[in-house]
Amino acid sequence: NAGVTQTPKFRILKIGQSMTLQCTQDMNHNYMYWYRQDPGMGLKLIYYSVGAGITDKGEVPNGYNVSRSTTEDFPLRLELAAPSQTSVYFCASWTELYGYTFGSGTRLTVV
Amino acid sequence: DQQVKQNSPSLSVQEGRISILNCDYTNSMFDYFLWYKKYPAEGPTFLISISSIKDKNEDGRFTVFLNKSAKHLSLHIVPSQPGDSAVYFCAAHLYNQGGKLIFGQGTELSVKP
Repeated sequence: NAGVTQTPKFRILKIGQSMTLQCTQDMNHNYMYWYRQDPGMGLKLIYYSVGAGITDKGEVPNGYNVSRSTTEDFPLRLELAAPSQTSVYFCASWTELYGYTFGSGTRLTVV
Repeated sequence: DQQVKQNSPSLSVQEGRISILNCDYTNSMFDYFLWYKKYPAEGPTFLISISSIKDKNEDGRFTVFLNKSAKHLSLHIVPSQPGDSAVYFCAAHLYNQGGKLIFGQGTELSVKP
């Protein structure tokens, strides 16, 4: 029972590079979320999805893209990395009954 | 516009004493509130929640109090243990918004032996 799995755990990017943060869950949850956590700022919602094929913007979507081709996977794409995207990224799935299940996070540094 | 605020970035408490973590909010449409606990290098984990129609919810050593007129909630941990040392996030849910939560900035609790 893996829950929500995020890869990689750590990554250093150069300005302008692109990468995809992977997130997969094995609980068959429809709702999935991407948050970023900056020091002293709590968690801010980037994008979310209420089911396969459906995505929507959260509070801070600029500079990111997502896709949801399957229920299990919800990758987050950074096309042109900027220093402002240095953060810890958390993926989560949600059900009304069990609430949130978070992944262990991806720590991204853009230099 | 910070709808959920935790104004204390850190709190230090002696083992065995009470820890009180505070959270203020501005939106009266929130229908329930949650507390999450986060250890370093891990994702947040759910701790306790409270519906907006209640004023208290208790689970073992953890109690959450809600004061709707003051738009304030607090988490009490009694007695505090060193293993409680973590960052605690308050979060609020808007009615009919699926699982979207609005988080506070977090309070880092340190429980000294």
